[in-house]
Amino acid sequence: EAQVTQNPRYLITVTGKKLTVTCSQNMNHEYMSWYRQDPGLGLRQIYYSMNVEVTDKGDVPEGYKVSRKEKRNFPLILESPSPNQTSLYFCASSLDNTDTQYFGPGTRLTVL
Amino acid sequence: AQKVTQAQTEISVVEKEDVTLDCVYETRDTTYYLFWYKQPPSGELVFLIRRNSFDEQNEISGRYSWNFQKSTSSFNFTITASQVVDSAVYFCALSEAFMGNTPLVFGKGTRLSVIA
Repeated sequence: EAQVTQNPRYLITVTGKKLTVTCSQNMNHEYMSWYRQDPGLGLRQIYYSMNVEVTDKGDVPEGYKVSRKEKRNFPLILESPSPNQTSLYFCASSLDNTDTQYFGPGTRLTVL
Repeated sequence: AQKVTQAQTEISVVEKEDVTLDCVYETRDTTYYLFWYKQPPSGELVFLIRRNSFDEQNEISGRYSWNFQKSTSSFNFTITASQVVDSAVYFCALSEAFMGNTPLVFGKGTRLSVIA
């Protein structure tokens, strides 16, 4: 089944404790992206990747890192999480940068 | 800059009623793509439709239909004979087409409640 998977689905952590949210797609998509969803602010792009080893900042990249060592994986790294990073995070992938983006199930992160 | 406006924050209808969700967009590009996504209470984002700016033909898929009008920069979504399972937040989104990053710009969403 074609899908985007994210892990974990739910995470509660404390300020400053490094964490990684994994994202994997099995559709051989080149373009991958991370978004966060917040009440009143909607969905905003954090980082994106056009292909392997090609990543760049989106609209709200502060406090996040990403890597794209393989085509299928695009992990989101929070080196020192803070409470303002409490949010619902979505990974998305698409064939290329203009095609439909398919979203993972979301990761609900709480930083205490 | 691109922008998507969904003026209806919440809509409540009784089952079997028809309902239209409005979407107005702004872009300077002549080539762009419009999308609708559904977010049910379980939280995932489900893709519904993608339209490019050169295709103004209306589309129907079962009980769902979409009306794209470039003259009014609108891409409205109608659910016919609504059902309780249609209860969700619906997002309209826009991406511009150029050689580079094409993030989806989302509207704030419309929460649809269908009451039995």
